[in-house]
Amino acid sequence: QQQVKQSPQSLIVQKGGISIINCAYENTAFDYFPWYQQFPGKGPALLIAIRPDVSEKKEGRFTISFNKSAKQFSLHIMDSQPGDSATYFCAATTDSWGKLQFGAGTQVVVTP
Amino acid sequence: EPEVTQTPSHQVTQMGQEVILRCVPISNHLYFYWYRQILGQKVEFLVSFYNNEISEKSEIFDDQFSVERPDGSNFTLKIRSTKLEDSAMYFCASSLRRQRRNTGELFFGEGSRLTVL
Repeated sequence: QQQVKQSPQSLIVQKGGISIINCAYENTAFDYFPWYQQFPGKGPALLIAIRPDVSEKKEGRFTISFNKSAKQFSLHIMDSQPGDSATYFCAATTDSWGKLQFGAGTQVVVTP
Repeated sequence: EPEVTQTPSHQVTQMGQEVILRCVPISNHLYFYWYRQILGQKVEFLVSFYNNEISEKSEIFDDQFSVERPDGSNFTLKIRSTKLEDSAMYFCASSLRRQRRNTGELFFGEGSRLTVL
């Protein structure tokens, strides 16, 4: 059972463009939705996170939009830079012992 | 900046052999985790560990797997008799608190790649 579905699988965007990654979840008990960024050869690193009582959260060029009724959330990367080229994972968890349910990941390539 | 360190970075083993993957979590963290990522697939939760016992484990974490915190710094994952399908990148993570309300950020290590032949 795929509890968190992520799309697209890959994304190519020009420098300065907007990258948009979408995730949908099934379990309404999820109450914390982090996004992780992973560079090749490295472990995932927390990028930004949101709780379901907030519809949007912005940190620099990264914004999470959250739609509780649709059970969907998305990551927007504004003014994408080549250094943003990485794999992005959405995740979700209930108030449990760090059991993150990850999406399948989106490989983002930002071209110069 | 404190980080989670893992050894070895890559291990090749024969099917049926025992493997131990080692992790040194961030020193003041209290919660420890193992995740794995099969090549090209998503990151999957294996187990969480707190106060010297398993807090939660997934269906993947069967009797062939065990975890241990043998001293104050190391956290290990043992696979008793490796199978071909155990080939994956194994990530150790630690957190200061439970993953809740933006206060329980997980810090991941760089991973240990296990190849079972």
